[in-house]
Amino acid sequence: NAGVMQNPRHLVRRRGQEARLRCSPMKGHSHVYWYRQLPEEGLKFMVYLQKENIIDESGMPKERFSAEFPKEGPSILRIQQVVRGDSAAYFCASSPPTSGHTDTQYFGPGTRLTVL
Amino acid sequence: GENVEQHPSTLSVQEGDSAVIKCTYSDSASNYFPWYKQELGKRPQLIIDIRSNVGEKKDQRIAVTLNKTAKHFSLHITETQPEDSAVYFCAASDLLAGKSTFGDGTTLTVKP
Repeated sequence: NAGVMQNPRHLVRRRGQEARLRCSPMKGHSHVYWYRQLPEEGLKFMVYLQKENIIDESGMPKERFSAEFPKEGPSILRIQQVVRGDSAAYFCASSPPTSGHTDTQYFGPGTRLTVL
Repeated sequence: GENVEQHPSTLSVQEGDSAVIKCTYSDSASNYFPWYKQELGKRPQLIIDIRSNVGEKKDQRIAVTLNKTAKHFSLHITETQPEDSAVYFCAASDLLAGKSTFGDGTTLTVKP
């Protein structure tokens, strides 16, 4: 059973370009979470999604950032018009569909975004 | 919203000694408290967790305690080894809402 997969592992973008980060949850998991980790800092919650639904996006910047988790395919975190301050590691986590509540989150290897 | 404070930010111990990391939380709705270990450049890995209906949980050299009244929980590592050196994060989660708030991390260094 493969763990949470993220790609690419490393992404370099110039200012103003778009970054697309992908996350495939563990098999059987229908809850996906995205976190941002700045260098030598903690994990900051960005967004929580279930299939085709954004449940909580309270940690996501209002502009330039969007996330989706379609019925088929991976979850995508999209950052438009990237700026240097977007440089960070972006971790995705997934958890199983426990009835009425969420459960333990398992993390992917992260995507390290560098904005030049 | 939830606010999680983690102390200390850095901790250095001698091999074989114990290490204790403490976290406090603010939201009484939080009912799940995982601890993650993150080695440099790697993903956070769950090492132990505790739910709000339990006061203490132990797994070999690692234990976690929870005081719901005081809203704090702690990670205890006994007989530390150099491979325990990493950054440790606590988190407070509301399983109904699905949101986790992480502490800022503790960098543990175990000196041989």
